[in-house]
Amino acid sequence: EPEVTQTPSHQVTQMGQEVILRCVPISNHLYFYWYRQILGQKVEFLVSFYNNEISEKSEIFDDQFSVERPDGSNFTLKIRSTKLEDSAMYFCASSENRQSYNSPLHFGNGTRLTVT
Amino acid sequence: KQEVTQIPAALSVPEGENLVLNCSFTDSAIYNLQWFRQDPGKGLTSLLLIQSSQREQTSGRLNASLDKSSGRSTLYIAASQPGDSATYLCAVMGFQKLVFGTGTRLLVSP
Repeated sequence: EPEVTQTPSHQVTQMGQEVILRCVPISNHLYFYWYRQILGQKVEFLVSFYNNEISEKSEIFDDQFSVERPDGSNFTLKIRSTKLEDSAMYFCASSENRQSYNSPLHFGNGTRLTVT
Repeated sequence: KQEVTQIPAALSVPEGENLVLNCSFTDSAIYNLQWFRQDPGKGLTSLLLIQSSQREQTSGRLNASLDKSSGRSTLYIAASQPGDSATYLCAVMGFQKLVFGTGTRLLVSP
């Protein structure tokens, strides 16, 4: 069964450094998402992306965050200058259709980001 | 603002028991509701999706119900097995985003 893949599985970085988290969504999917989960807390929505542009973003997704689909297969999340509070598990997801009715999101295994 | 609550937060049962996990949400204007399974350090596995117009969905030993007007969903697991041990997350789909609950951590002992 096709799946969403994320790399790396674990990233350690120093405060103030830039990180890029990478995702390969399922090939025929059109909608892409990033979510994050701080340890012990709920999974939170960050951003949705369709047709090469952001379609929705949360308050968390400030100017330090950006997303890109640099080619036909990858979808990346960049954090420009990491803060301690960015430490979390970051999940990429994709869906085939607009999430209106019956198109489930498929999630990757996540990248655990640790900012020291 | 949509809020999703799950009870209980944790549940421990012996193998073979039938069990019910509960999810409630504050805004009934949803497109669908999904139940996910999360294993420690792993991603989210979609278990069931119920469209807003549906009342229930079944997959194997799992049955999920939805009462949109009262803002409630239940996940019923029949004949639980140790392999069912995981955290179960409920999430409701609003406009282009899922809002998740805090999850129910389930432990099924042999």
